[in-house]
Amino acid sequence: GAVVSQHPSRVICKSGTSVKIECRSLDFQATTMFWYRQFPKKSLMLMATSNEGSKATYEQGVEKDKFLINHASLTLSTLTVTSAHPEDSSFYICSGWRVSYNEQFFGPGTRLTVL
Amino acid sequence: AQKITQTQPGMFVQEKEAVTLDCTYDTSDPSYGLFWYKQPSSGEMIFLIYQGSYDQQNATEGRYSLNFQKARKSANLVISASQLGDSAMYFCAMRAPNTGTASKLTFGTGTRLQVTL
Repeated sequence: GAVVSQHPSRVICKSGTSVKIECRSLDFQATTMFWYRQFPKKSLMLMATSNEGSKATYEQGVEKDKFLINHASLTLSTLTVTSAHPEDSSFYICSGWRVSYNEQFFGPGTRLTVL
Repeated sequence: AQKITQTQPGMFVQEKEAVTLDCTYDTSDPSYGLFWYKQPSSGEMIFLIYQGSYDQQNATEGRYSLNFQKARKSANLVISASQLGDSAMYFCAMRAPNTGTASKLTFGTGTRLQVTL
């Protein structure tokens, strides 16, 4: 298998502030990481594909200026929710793609609450 | 475009019984992969089982087996000898095309399984 961590696991912030979520692959190098969003009792929706050293590819309808993704190293991708608003409150999950397994390994998720 | 359909929003099963969670899919790619994940209330996504479109046999992993019917485009998950700890949300997902490069996963809407005494 493989281990992916996310930090923080839970964050509460005020409306208008920015929040950074980190996704780390702990025991493998992930050239590609994926960011998902999950509303309560709903499915995972892919937000963007993050590639190390290049710009992220965003899914249709996802504002790239709102959800900034940086994949600066082979083990770290960050998602920054800029000027967060209550409607951005959600569960954010990342995954790292491990080449040798041809499989995505998921982080434990980050629960964001915007007041 | 790929699509995954899970028609059972909720299921109940008695402890020690078997349960089948339904999943149908649609894709025009000849090569694809099908996954089942378990999501307990903690939120983590736990990989359960994988089936490749060219696999000749149905996948099995312990108490989990995948009933793969390619012609019907279905990939149902069978959990045998249910345990209380199996109570969780279950997602079916597809990766297409199933190549050596990172491909997106498309998820179904999920089925909430409750195991009762």
